[in-house]
Amino acid sequence: AQSVTQLGSHVSVSEGALVLLRCNYSSSVPPYLFWYVQYPNQGLQLLLKYTSAATLVKGINDFEAEFKKSETSFHLTKPSAHMSDAAEYFCAVRSDSNYQLIWGAGTKLIIKP
Amino acid sequence: EPEVTQTPSHQVTQMGQEVILRCVPISNHLYFYWYRQILGQKVEFLVSFYNNEISEKSEIFDDQFSVERPDGSNFTLKIRSTKLEDSAMYFCASSDMRGGPGGELFFGEGSRLTVL
Repeated sequence: AQSVTQLGSHVSVSEGALVLLRCNYSSSVPPYLFWYVQYPNQGLQLLLKYTSAATLVKGINDFEAEFKKSETSFHLTKPSAHMSDAAEYFCAVRSDSNYQLIWGAGTKLIIKP
Repeated sequence: EPEVTQTPSHQVTQMGQEVILRCVPISNHLYFYWYRQILGQKVEFLVSFYNNEISEKSEIFDDQFSVERPDGSNFTLKIRSTKLEDSAMYFCASSDMRGGPGGELFFGEGSRLTVL
């Protein structure tokens, strides 16, 4: 069975600081991994995805994530936080045996001025 | 840019009432989904729909739930007799799935259902 764990329901960083949002997955088959963002009062938007090509994946708004099989991790990073990054971020996994997305609990990113 | 649209954005209903949540997926997409998120909890898969039939459904998607694509554009989720625990944000998503399971799902902004 697949699962996703996101460490930290809330992460607070200062504007301009590094953003690191953690995601660990469990999957018995090669996973497809996704990060989605949900801005206040909006839907879920894809930030980036890993589909077994490059292990370092770049997404929108300067976000990137690195797939590390040995650590079963897919942490999301951004070198310099911006106030507009304040949102909730969800990590999700999908296998090729079905097309469901299995979601983490989400991490709310708070940006301090 | 094409987008998935959902109506209503918020619906309040009495327990036991029927509710229909509507979605207009992106026009050339073939795969459709409903997910829900109970306040403070994870996003959960409900059902996927392809070629005019359900392709997968979760344990949550019991006999009280149904989906339909009544015409070429709408994709609806019906809850026959709502319960308090059905209160949640319901997200519709669509995909063309050309990328296989790595393909992107495009989500609507959600319909918040409150059952009193």
